Amino acid sequence: KAGVTQTPRYLIKTRGQQVTLSCSPISGHRSVSWYQQTPGQGLQFLFEYFSETQRNKGNFPGRFSGRQFSNSRSEMNVSTLELGDSALYLCASSSIRLTGVSGYTFGSGTRLTVV
Amino acid sequence: AQSVTQPDIHITVSEGASLELRCNYSYGATPYLFWYVQSPGQGLQLLLKYFSGDTLVQGIKGFEAEFKRSQSSFNLRKPSVHWSDAAEYFCAVGPDRGSTLGRLYFGRGTQLTVWP
Repeated sequence: KAGVTQTPRYLIKTRGQQVTLSCSPISGHRSVSWYQQTPGQGLQFLFEYFSETQRNKGNFPGRFSGRQFSNSRSEMNVSTLELGDSALYLCASSSIRLTGVSGYTFGSGTRLTVV
Repeated sequence: AQSVTQPDIHITVSEGASLELRCNYSYGATPYLFWYVQSPGQGLQLLLKYFSGDTLVQGIKGFEAEFKRSQSSFNLRKPSVHWSDAAEYFCAVGPDRGSTLGRLYFGRGTQLTVWP
C-alpha cells in the first residue's frame, strides 16, 4: 500500500510570508502528527490530529496551525515566517486501535527554507 | 515528564564490526519503544518497535534491540555493520499502553559513520 505522502518536498519562502504543507496518510490511518526537525532542537512535536480534531499540541507559537480533512489528509500552516522556521517538517501516520497506537509511519518530509 | 536520552552523539565503526547504540528513557509507565533511521534529507524509517512480549526485538536490515525495564534502556545492536548503515539513528518513546494519543518523544539522535 502507498506510504505517507508529503508535498511539496522543498519550499523556499521569504520572511513574513505564510506556507501550507500537506500530508496524505496511509489509507485507513486516521491519526496524523507533525514534527519539526532542526539541527539545534532535534525532532519536536507540533500537533496531532485524529478524525479531524486536534488532540494534542506541542509547545509552538500560534503561528503554527493545522487541520485535518474528512479523508484524513492533513495540512499545517505557518504564518509570518521567521528564519528560525527553516526546518524539515515530518508527518507521521498512525492507526489507532482500542488497545492503543499500532505504530507510526513517516513521510519523506518537506524541507522549508526561509530567506 | 517523558524523555529519551541517546548518550552518544556520534559513533564511528569499521565495516564488519559490531554496533551498539544506547537509548535510555524516562517514562511513567511501560511505553512503546521505537528505533528509526534517517538518511540525509530523508524521512524516518522504522527499524523495529517494542510493544510487549519478548524483550529482544528483531528488526529490518539485521538490527535488533533489547528492552531492559530495570535499566530503562532499549539499546540497538547489529553484529556486523555495512557501509550502507551510515545514517542517523533515533530512539523514540510512544504513548502509554492503551492511550490513543499519537505522540512520540525522540532522543537527539546518534550519527553513525562507517569506515571501509
